[in-house]
Amino acid sequence: SQELEQSPQSLIVQEGKNLTINCTSSKTLYGLYWYKQKYGEGLIFLMMLQKGGEEKSHEKITAKLDEKKQQSSLHITASQPSHAGIYLCGASVSGTYKYIFGTGTRLKVLA
Amino acid sequence: EAGVAQSPRYKIIEKRQSVAFWCNPISGHATLYWYQQILGQGPKLLIQFQNNGVVDDSQLPKDRFSAERLKGVDSTLKIQPAKLEDSAVYLCASSLGTRIEAFFGQGTRLTVV
Repeated sequence: SQELEQSPQSLIVQEGKNLTINCTSSKTLYGLYWYKQKYGEGLIFLMMLQKGGEEKSHEKITAKLDEKKQQSSLHITASQPSHAGIYLCGASVSGTYKYIFGTGTRLKVLA
Repeated sequence: EAGVAQSPRYKIIEKRQSVAFWCNPISGHATLYWYQQILGQGPKLLIQFQNNGVVDDSQLPKDRFSAERLKGVDSTLKIQPAKLEDSAVYLCASSLGTRIEAFFGQGTRLTVV
């Protein structure tokens, strides 16, 4: 079973629309990381959340980590075609040193 | 600052052949990871090194996969013999330590025919 679940698996939005991607764990996370991947390329680090309730923003992307540190959301405001790609959440699980990933969310933004 | 370097970018081999991938992490990064990413899925951790010691290799198919990081810097991942289901992108990543963000190379796309 997947330790990190992401939803939705894929998303198609019209340019200018807002969207949210979720990442859920059954275990408490030490740290939660969001990455973006373009097809056939490596992962680009977006941001890291470590404290319960933490929220970070970069340009039009905001990520939050819930108080229990088991769920995170990534929100894109006024989406653009440049936001298209695969968004992956990664995490280090409390009690281990492993760095694992969710299943990914494929985002397409229609111009 | 130079990023994580991987080679080759692409490799096509026949089943039962052997293949090796190379990774050079960011200078000073003690932790190195190898992931397997099958099309449409998230990366699966194969092995994680801290310097030249193995932190986790629980998902490495040890009957055919091996990895080493002899001097705590570069690393190689080998598959011998390859199977059709090994077709995937193999990603290498590194970080200063555990439990902080990792930085990824471009990956090696392996096709086994």
